[in-house]
Amino acid sequence: ETGVTQSPTHLIKTRGQQVTLRCSSQSGHNTVSWYQQALGQGPQFIFQYYREEENGRGNFPPRFSGLQFPNYSSELNVNALELDDSALYLCASSFLGGSYEQYFGPGTRLTVT
Amino acid sequence: QQQVKQSPQSLIVQKGGISIINCAYENTAFDYFPWYQQFPGKGPALLIAIRPDVSEKKEGRFTISFNKSAKQFSLHIMDSQPGDSATYFCAASPGNTPLVFGKGTRLSVIA
Repeated sequence: ETGVTQSPTHLIKTRGQQVTLRCSSQSGHNTVSWYQQALGQGPQFIFQYYREEENGRGNFPPRFSGLQFPNYSSELNVNALELDDSALYLCASSFLGGSYEQYFGPGTRLTVT
Repeated sequence: QQQVKQSPQSLIVQKGGISIINCAYENTAFDYFPWYQQFPGKGPALLIAIRPDVSEKKEGRFTISFNKSAKQFSLHIMDSQPGDSATYFCAASPGNTPLVFGKGTRLSVIA
């Protein structure tokens, strides 16, 4: 167990709706990164949060947004959901300025119908 | 453009055999190369990682071999067990930055 938790475990939404996913980072870590993993693919980087600010972003549209809180937990928000947004959403916890290791949570399975 | 190419896509190995998964990268700025193990319905778990200043790292039955000049690295699982059956991902990053993942290898260890 990594100590990284995510909620909810599963979620079903309708196209056009909005969703919020949550992540609690591992104790001692200050950075949260979000990844999207489509079925049968490797995780793809969405964005990273450090000191409550976005600290890098992958090739995802602005309708993917996030927040990081003072306790280093984080939220991923997706607006105007599309069918292709159906995936496993993973958050990874790390310590920026320390080792490069990133530890993943169990993920949230989002299904858009 | 895929920056980390992983092969094979799937692998079947007899119990007790050696499983070998290969990855090749393009970005010479990459200097951190981890391997993750993922079981169905779970998040990826960090297995072992290497930096380019060494050519090999071993942890238990898992070994990473790294060839900087060829821009390739591989995972060797010795004495493979049915419990090792999972999907394995290689990844790379230029320092403490987001990981770029390969597409994964589905390993099946049969008795």
